[in-house]
Amino acid sequence: NAGVTQTPKFRILKIGQSMTLQCTQDMNHNYMYWYRQDPGMGLKLIYYSVGAGITDKGEVPNGYNVSRSTTEDFPLRLELAAPSQTSVYFCASSYEDRVSPLHFGNGTRLTVT
Amino acid sequence: DAKTTQPNSMESNEEEPVHLPCNHSTISGTDYIHWYRQLPSQGPEYVIHGLTSNVNNRMASLAIAEDRKSSTLILHRATLRDAAVYYCILRDGSSGSARQLTFGSGTQLTVLP
Repeated sequence: NAGVTQTPKFRILKIGQSMTLQCTQDMNHNYMYWYRQDPGMGLKLIYYSVGAGITDKGEVPNGYNVSRSTTEDFPLRLELAAPSQTSVYFCASSYEDRVSPLHFGNGTRLTVT
Repeated sequence: DAKTTQPNSMESNEEEPVHLPCNHSTISGTDYIHWYRQLPSQGPEYVIHGLTSNVNNRMASLAIAEDRKSSTLILHRATLRDAAVYYCILRDGSSGSARQLTFGSGTQLTVLP
């Protein structure tokens, strides 16, 4: 029963490098989300997707890009990493967008130095 | 989404009931009350949700005030594994709401052995 799987679990980047955070879900959910969580803080929405081929910005999209070519996968791309992007990144999915619970992955801890 | 107010931290003794309060005085008629919790080094986990009536599931109970301006998450017998940050969130059931979800700072629950 995999649910939402995120890889890698940890990553250290140098300033200016780029990387892709992977997220895949096996629940056939249409809705997927990327959040970031800074130390001691709540979660902030970066991007979301309502289905394959459809994505939209959340609260803090600058410095990130996403794509959704399949229902299962929702990768988050960081271009030109900056220290301000040091955070824990969570991917989530839900069956629909109004009441259904969100299912979260266990996160990717990213450090940019 | 309407705002919620929770205490920053609470303590409980193991095997005793825990009542986690949440105030949401600006709740609208279509807002559902959701609770999530986040264990250390994990993604948030759905606990329970409700609209007007009290709700029970295998994890917890949700007591909703008659005027819906406050609610209480009840853990009937706290265990050490219940130590987590608990988030109270409002979701508008009449429109696409997960994309506007706001996870605040939540309540840090400490369970004492």
